[in-house]
Amino acid sequence: QVQLQESGPGLVKPSETLSLTCAVSGYSISSGYYWGWIRQPPGKGLEWIGSIYHSGSTYYNPSLKSRVTISVDTSKNQFSLKLSSVTAADTAVYYCARLSIMGFKDWGQGTLVTVSS
Amino acid sequence: QTVVTQEPSFSVSPGGTVTLTCGLSSGSVSTSYYPSWYQQTPGQAPRTLIYSTNTRSSGVPDRFSGSILGNKAALTITGAQADDESDYYCVLYMGSGTNWVFGGGTKLTVL
Repeated sequence: QVQLQESGPGLVKPSETLSLTCAVSGYSISSGYYWGWIRQPPGKGLEWIGSIYHSGSTYYNPSLKSRVTISVDTSKNQFSLKLSSVTAADTAVYYCARLSIMGFKDWGQGTLVTVSS
Repeated sequence: QTVVTQEPSFSVSPGGTVTLTCGLSSGSVSTSYYPSWYQQTPGQAPRTLIYSTNTRSSGVPDRFSGSILGNKAALTITGAQADDESDYYCVLYMGSGTNWVFGGGTKLTVL
């Protein structure tokens, strides 16, 4: 059974960089699949942020591309999200997930990140 | 910019059947978009129901089914139960560039 667990600061100041990590257990990231980040602002819908293939290729939502970096650390079996120059509009629950082109297969429980001074 | 469309809200009676749809602001949805469906209750992570148009995720009861109806992807719930009251999201795979796009979600009420 694949499990994903997000971790990182719950509060980030405006203009700073949001950094989250997703630890994966039950499956080796280097074995396959895409690994991605999704967010959900309070009371709103889900938004795909970006994904990284097990080979290291990255794919980003065009609306966020200039501010997003996703990387993978196969030695720790985890992947990370960095979102720069955050504003209040980036306040959301952030989920990590295992996915393929056929859909999102497994989800983390999510972590709330609030952008506020 | 391509928008994935869903009904904002829908209601169904207990035991009834409901079909939620997932369309495109321009064009038709086909299996090539690998439509997938997710159920989310307040405060919880999404749960994968259907992937690749009509394949049920592990543990999902067979009263949930996916299909293509006309020019849209569809999620049909037969024999609706009270705990089916949730938000439902579809995702389409748009290929390189925009990749995965979520619909705005449908709030399903069972009453």
